[in-house]
Amino acid sequence: DSGVTQTPKHLITATGQRVTLRCSPRSGDLSVYWYQQSLDQGLQFLIHYYNGEERAKGNILERFSAQQFPDLHSELNLSSLELGDSALYFCASSASGISQETQYFGPGTRLLVL
Amino acid sequence: GENVEQHPSTLSVQEGDSAVIKCTYSDSASNYFPWYKQELGKGPQLIIDIRSNVGEKKDQRIAVTLNKTAKHFSLHITETQPEDSAVYFCAAPNQAGTALIFGKGTTLSVSS
Repeated sequence: DSGVTQTPKHLITATGQRVTLRCSPRSGDLSVYWYQQSLDQGLQFLIHYYNGEERAKGNILERFSAQQFPDLHSELNLSSLELGDSALYFCASSASGISQETQYFGPGTRLLVL
Repeated sequence: GENVEQHPSTLSVQEGDSAVIKCTYSDSASNYFPWYKQELGKGPQLIIDIRSNVGEKKDQRIAVTLNKTAKHFSLHITETQPEDSAVYFCAAPNQAGTALIFGKGTTLSVSS
């Protein structure tokens, strides 16, 4: 158990809908990262938040957004969902967000868009 | 970082054999190289990492080697066991040092 929690574990929805994925980092960690994992693309970095502020953006679509709250949990919002958004979504946390730190991954949310 | 190539994509070995997975990176300033193991239905878990000030690091049956000149690093697993079967990912920092770029993964199958 990494100490990172994600809810829900599974999510099934329809095209055009909007969903929210939630992540709670390990106790004491200030950074949260979001990744998308699909079969053909591996682990794709989406976005990084540090202590409530956006620090880096990766291959995140404009339909996707995220935020980190004062209690340090983070939410990833996916809107106007398309079939191709079906994937595993992971969040990871680290202590301060520098690149040489270990990132601890949560168990993921499996999203299926029908 | 920025581009991390990982080979092979699949690897099948017999129990007790060694397994080697290789990664190359493009950013010569990269200085941290972790390896993650992902079992079915779980999130990736760090198994070993290496920083650029050393060339090799070992932890029991697992070792990682780093060649900064050639910009590649490798994961070595000795005396493989069926429970080593999983997907393994290498990673390196992006140029800004704000995120990790992951290789596409290697599916390791260890048969008994």
